[in-house]
Amino acid sequence: KNEVEQSPQNLTAQEGEFITINCSYSVGISALHWLQQHPGGGIVSLFMLSSGKKKHGRLIATINIQEKHSSLHITASHPRDSAVYICAVPANSGGSNYKLTFGKGTLLTVNP
Amino acid sequence: DVKVTQSSRYLVKRTGEKVFLECVQDMDHENMFWYRQDPGLGLRLIYFSYDVKMKEKGDIPEGYSVSREKKERFSLILESASTNQTSMYLCASSWLGNQPQHFGDGTRLSIL
Repeated sequence: KNEVEQSPQNLTAQEGEFITINCSYSVGISALHWLQQHPGGGIVSLFMLSSGKKKHGRLIATINIQEKHSSLHITASHPRDSAVYICAVPANSGGSNYKLTFGKGTLLTVNP
Repeated sequence: DVKVTQSSRYLVKRTGEKVFLECVQDMDHENMFWYRQDPGLGLRLIYFSYDVKMKEKGDIPEGYSVSREKKERFSLILESASTNQTSMYLCASSWLGNQPQHFGDGTRLSIL
């Protein structure tokens, strides 16, 4: 079964700073997900990526399949980016890919 | 936009009660999921369903059952609620395969 480690667990930044959140997993995968959860709110899918890099606004996600590692970057961070960011990967290599294993999440707080 | 609707945001029940949590999605998704989210443990899969009347156990199915009689609706049942089932419950849906999951807003369930 795939194991997922996220770092850091907690991150506090000043508005405008560049943010990096890391995710490592143990078993080869077809694609990795990054999710965002605001306090008291539901979860939103930010990215699904299988190679290289994806960008959406100020958010950038990268993945290195060989090293089993992904990063989520936030440029010019803003207080509204404050949320829990969660990494998820397929639970098993091969077979069905709709069961996901989730990291414990990174709590990001961006102060004005 | 995909809409996943959970029947209640907050619910308080008593030990021993039979509890029903309902989830409805409007995008004709094949997959539906029930998770619970606890501090420090992240998201854990209780049950999922890949078709009407089809279900598979997730990582923590004990004390729970599910029902999927129609494609758009997936119900989670706590057969005899216990205090250790106090948690945030999240429903999600997706297309078949490793596709982004769309989450409901969650139900915060307290068992007294």
